[in-house]
Amino acid sequence: DVKVTQSSRYLVKRTGEKVFLECVQDMDHENMFWYRQDPGLGLRLIYFSYDVKMKEKGDIPEGYSVSREKKERFSLILESASTNQTSMYLCASSLFGAGGEGTEAFFGQGTRLTVV
Amino acid sequence: AQTVTQSQPEMSVQEAETVTLSCTYDTSESDYYLFWYKQPPSRQMILVIRQEAYKQQNATENRFSVNFQKAAKSFSLKISDSQLGDAAMYFCAYRAIQGAQKLVFGQGTRLTINP
Repeated sequence: DVKVTQSSRYLVKRTGEKVFLECVQDMDHENMFWYRQDPGLGLRLIYFSYDVKMKEKGDIPEGYSVSREKKERFSLILESASTNQTSMYLCASSLFGAGGEGTEAFFGQGTRLTVV
Repeated sequence: AQTVTQSQPEMSVQEAETVTLSCTYDTSESDYYLFWYKQPPSRQMILVIRQEAYKQQNATENRFSVNFQKAAKSFSLKISDSQLGDAAMYFCAYRAIQGAQKLVFGQGTRLTINP
């Protein structure tokens, strides 16, 4: 059974803290993504990676960074958490360059982050 | 840049009835993929259905079907014989074939099933 696992379902952090959100996939996928989900805004792409040590900015990268040292793991880092980063964070993975059924992205169960 | 728009924030339907969720998108590409994803209260995103833009035939998966109108850039989801388990957020998404393989999502439609 394919799996994308996010390290926490719920997280509460203080303003100014450095926050790490971890995501691991066991499908040998090249592509990995971090999305932020907010009501009325859908899912917005923060960063994505199509290979180890490669990363590209998405639509809302400000205040975030990422790390991909191993193929299966993609970490999202909030350098200095702020209250406007309170949100649901979703990790996803997919095959690189695939068509048809290979285009499916698989998602983790999300981390609901609250910054106080 | 590609954009996806879902203009219905909420929809409701009686159990066993049919409901259609709307989605429009904007792209200059001629070939791409479109998806509908479901997010139940468990928060686990699940692929419902996929459409390749080069295929004229509308995709169908059991009770779920799409109406893909390429010229109008419209991609609606029809759910037949609605069941209580269909209650969820539904997201329309676009993916280019060339270049970055990211998904671009719409705002989502919350579907309620009335027993």
